[in-house]
Amino acid sequence: EVQLVESGGGLIQPGGSLRLSCAASGFTVSSNYMSWVRQAPGKGLEWVSVIYSGGDTYYADSVKGRFTVSRDNSKNTLYLQLNSLRAEDTAVYYCARERDRFFDYWGQGTLVTVSS
Amino acid sequence: QSALTQPASVSGSPGQSITISCTGSSSDIGGYNYVSWYQQHPGKAPKLMIYDVSNRPSGVSNRFSGSKSGDTASLTISGLQAEDEADYFCSSYTSSSTRRVFGTGTKVTVL
Repeated sequence: EVQLVESGGGLIQPGGSLRLSCAASGFTVSSNYMSWVRQAPGKGLEWVSVIYSGGDTYYADSVKGRFTVSRDNSKNTLYLQLNSLRAEDTAVYYCARERDRFFDYWGQGTLVTVSS
Repeated sequence: QSALTQPASVSGSPGQSITISCTGSSSDIGGYNYVSWYQQHPGKAPKLMIYDVSNRPSGVSNRFSGSKSGDTASLTISGLQAEDEADYFCSSYTSSSTRRVFGTGTKVTVL
């Protein structure tokens, strides 16, 4: 059974850093495209970042230069390093597996709150 | 890359059919047959309902169907049920550098 479990969210001050984790089971992270998608409170979905099976990474303009996606193949885990956090980064962050340009499995999400 | 445009809300009575539109451009919906739809209940993760414009994943009710015409995709829910009350988001592949874009979201209310 495919499962994605995010962790690492919390309350952080503006300008701070946080690392989110997404532990996968039932499939191999490194063999798939894996994305991070976020949802601000009461708002819609916003794609944030992707790491391809070959290791290439891409980011939304809103987070480019501040966020970094990576993976640990030995732990079958996806990460998102969030630096220089802003109030507008407050959101639930989901990890999702991509299959041929759609997201077939999603984690339950982890809440990041940026506030002083 | 701007978000795809969806109506903020759509409502219907039990048993009725409703259609949610998702409008983009020739750079996304109009240019590719890679539209997907997601259902999200409050406090829950999104769930894939339709992929590649009109395909249903295993386990999704056949009351859900998708289509596309030009730059607009549509999700139709037939035989509306109380459990269909949720937010729905479309998504498309796009020629922009990010390659992915979501819709603004539609709240479906069952009257």
